[in-house]
Amino acid sequence: GEDVEQSLFLSVREGDSSVINCTYTDSSSTYLYWYKQEPGAGLQLLTYIFSNMDMKQDQRLTVLLNKKDKHLSLRIADTQTGDSAIYFCAESFTGKLIFGQGTTLQVKP
Amino acid sequence: DAMVIQNPRYQVTQFGKPVTLSCSQTLNHNVMYWYQQKSSQAPKLLFHYYDKDFNNEADTPDNFQSRRPNTSFCFLDIRSPGLGDAAMYLCATRGTDSYNEQFFGPGTRLTVL
Repeated sequence: GEDVEQSLFLSVREGDSSVINCTYTDSSSTYLYWYKQEPGAGLQLLTYIFSNMDMKQDQRLTVLLNKKDKHLSLRIADTQTGDSAIYFCAESFTGKLIFGQGTTLQVKP
Repeated sequence: DAMVIQNPRYQVTQFGKPVTLSCSQTLNHNVMYWYQQKSSQAPKLLFHYYDKDFNNEADTPDNFQSRRPNTSFCFLDIRSPGLGDAAMYLCATRGTDSYNEQFFGPGTRLTVL
């Protein structure tokens, strides 16, 4: 079945870049997404990428997609303490979202 | 602002006592979803409505039911909550935009005593 996997934890220093990685299984996914979840809150869409793109940049966020390896990454430049949250990778499958387990990003001052 | 609202934000119930969680939206989206998210886990889709059409996931327990009386509102009913049903319940909506974004509410944290 469809499966999305992420590493569980990443710790960086404020000002450094963060890279969160994700692998997925469904090659027919049209869109792939990154959602952010702050403590006690719902999920907020950060960015998405269409499956025929290799890269998408949006201010401090860069998404890289390697469709051959089914690998997606999110790079956050100049990471701030406000970026501390759980980041979920998701693929779209028949209108539904399949989420990874989430990567907890800890940003140290 | 257009949004997805969930009430209550925190719900405490007793083992076996029915509970209803509420979701409303001002986005006029035709698709509404209910997810269950347990601690440190990915959100798991329970079911969704496409307009009035109800779509249950194969592994959603019968204990979970849903109602959608109109476009704006959707309810999650847990008929006999067990300890294992304690979780965050997330409602989301989706319109017909080009990239299928789902808009999430803040969630209801359910505690079962």
